[in-house]
Amino acid sequence: QSVLTQPPSASGTPGQRVAISCSGSSSNIGSNYVHWYQQLPGTAPKLLIYRDNQRPSGVPDRFSGSKSGTSASLAISGLRSEDEADYHCTAWDDSLSGPVFGGGTKLTVL
Amino acid sequence: QVQLVQSGSELKEPGASVKVSCKASGYTFNVYAMNWVRQAPGQGLEWVGWINTDSGKPTYGQGFKGRFVLSLDTSVSTAYLQISSLEAEDTAVYYCARARDCSSRSCYSEYWGQGTLVTVSS
Repeated sequence: QSVLTQPPSASGTPGQRVAISCSGSSSNIGSNYVHWYQQLPGTAPKLLIYRDNQRPSGVPDRFSGSKSGTSASLAISGLRSEDEADYHCTAWDDSLSGPVFGGGTKLTVL
Repeated sequence: QVQLVQSGSELKEPGASVKVSCKASGYTFNVYAMNWVRQAPGQGLEWVGWINTDSGKPTYGQGFKGRFVLSLDTSVSTAYLQISSLEAEDTAVYYCARARDCSSRSCYSEYWGQGTLVTVSS
């Protein structure tokens, strides 16, 4: 059972905008940065968003992150077939003294 | 370019030990910490721990204290994860990843190795 809660699945059609939620508590999301990883099928995760809403070099601006209170969200606009992947959120947890993850959300592009 | 190359898949019997290596290149090894993350088959990610590559001090996540040991060989820019007394539940892909901000309550992974599958089965 993951400390952060993500929906197990999400879907959208090409060109659409989708949002993936990540819910936590005051000891993690409520007081620390949230980061997001994209994991394409059969590959290692890749950093997608760090410190709530920062994109590493090379990540398209179609991907954006936001946070409010104890929840965070990853938005993908202009959905493309190559966005089909698992998306994982993570944040430091003060009670556990380490980063915790959500269970991951499998995004399907219909 | 930053590269993390991990050792190959391992098949071990219950009770055995395994040592996974992670060789770094393309940057100064002791400037960035190293994270280790586990992913069981069909499951999400789980933080094993991180190691300060300057001091060599490891920090372990909950549930990874005792049988899991993080170490370094800075002469060859390589980090190691050793797991002893293997159990079937340890079957997973183990990733090393170059870490940022682990000492300041943030701790995210910028670059990842390709992963090493450890299978524990008799």
